[in-house]
Amino acid sequence: EIVLTQSPGTLSLSPGERATLSCRASQRVTSAYLAWYQQKPGQAPRLLIYGASSRATGIPDRFSGSGSGTDFTLTISRLEPADFAVYYCQQYDRSPGTFGQGTKVEIK
Amino acid sequence: QVQLVQSGAEVKKPGASVRVSCKASGYTFINYHIQWVRQAPGQGPEWMGIINPNGDRTDYAQKFQGRVTMSSDTSTRTVYMDLSSLRSEDTAIYYCARTYTSRDPFENWGQGTLVTVSS
Repeated sequence: EIVLTQSPGTLSLSPGERATLSCRASQRVTSAYLAWYQQKPGQAPRLLIYGASSRATGIPDRFSGSGSGTDFTLTISRLEPADFAVYYCQQYDRSPGTFGQGTKVEIK
Repeated sequence: QVQLVQSGAEVKKPGASVRVSCKASGYTFINYHIQWVRQAPGQGPEWMGIINPNGDRTDYAQKFQGRVTMSSDTSTRTVYMDLSSLRSEDTAIYYCARTYTSRDPFENWGQGTLVTVSS
């Protein structure tokens, strides 16, 4: 199965700063099948990005995704208080679909 | 609007079985698959399997083969996930999610069901 490794494990930033989150795959992932999710405590994950770079419905444009092959990035251009959460990448290119272990974005 | 409403929390003893339900509303039930993932405390989600809306085709993660069964009742728009031979490592929140095909992202999720396995 494809293993997704996210880095860093924790990102300590202040509101207004830029966040850059990394997701590295153990095998090549077709870009069309890479997604990013945001999860807050006690809630289900929420889809942010699909197809590596397409924003899901209602997701603000401060969230952007990029990358191809084995290296993908989620960027939050200017952190707002609601953005402090855990972020997961997911590949749904090959079964079994797999998720990374998450990056926590915390307030510095 | 699309809603997936799951059954309530469960506490089970090791060796027992659990059934989690996922009731769908707000869309044409037979047009979308339901996938199941679980999330242990402090971990990322883990994919368990997928069922087509008619319930006649399933695909399970190898890790759960022989222990998991997914089924669908189109008359009640409800999908079920049964997990048997429970052990403490199965303690997790179980989520259902709606996707158009097996190769689509999880746009809609249930609220999650906590299953605790403890003697």
